[in-house]
Amino acid sequence: QKEVEQNSGPLSVPEGAIASLNCTYSDRGSQSFFWYRQYSGKSPELIMSIYSNGDKEDGRFTAQLNKASQYVSLLIRDSQPSDSATYLCAVNKEWHSGGGADGLTFGKGTHLIIQP
Amino acid sequence: DAGVTQSPTHLIKTRGQQVTLRCSPKSGHDTVSWYQQALGQGPQFIFQYYEEEERQRGNFPDRFSGHQFPNYSSELNVNALLLGDSALYLCASSLETSGGLNEQFFGPGTRLTVL
Repeated sequence: QKEVEQNSGPLSVPEGAIASLNCTYSDRGSQSFFWYRQYSGKSPELIMSIYSNGDKEDGRFTAQLNKASQYVSLLIRDSQPSDSATYLCAVNKEWHSGGGADGLTFGKGTHLIIQP
Repeated sequence: DAGVTQSPTHLIKTRGQQVTLRCSPKSGHDTVSWYQQALGQGPQFIFQYYEEEERQRGNFPDRFSGHQFPNYSSELNVNALLLGDSALYLCASSLETSGGLNEQFFGPGTRLTVL
């Protein structure tokens, strides 16, 4: 069973519409969740992080977390052609006793295309 | 505010050779993690360094080793290169915080090609 699953896409969305990206994870001990954007040939860029159930908004981006359903999503409002990229969902599974972050577990990413 | 830097940008090696990749963390960060990203895949965690010690390791063989220096910079070494080691190697830095919800920031990566 894959630990972090994403639909690989491509997901095609008209410019100005809302893009909805989804991610499920298998480890109930997971505690923090991240969305990275990766343009072709570039490295991942952190765009959202979420730790508590519910919604977190930052500009045009909203991350949603439901730990009971083991589900995290990213909404992009007013989609722009520059949002076309691969979106990676990442999960941090456990804490060290003194705090700190462990290695992230990534999904394969969803390829998003915003159509002008 | 300097971000994460990596060197070199690109590297071509032949099977059996050894390679060293370098990373300098974001200013103020003290933890470095290394990832391997094959084409079309998400990054795979190799290992993490904190206080100059490897404190967590992913599912990678001992051919992959690393080091962290007192200034928090880090190296990734790969011995006896295989064709399958061809990938984008990513360094990510974070700040150790208690109770902490640490965000990891990636460098631009090193593209390794093994022929």
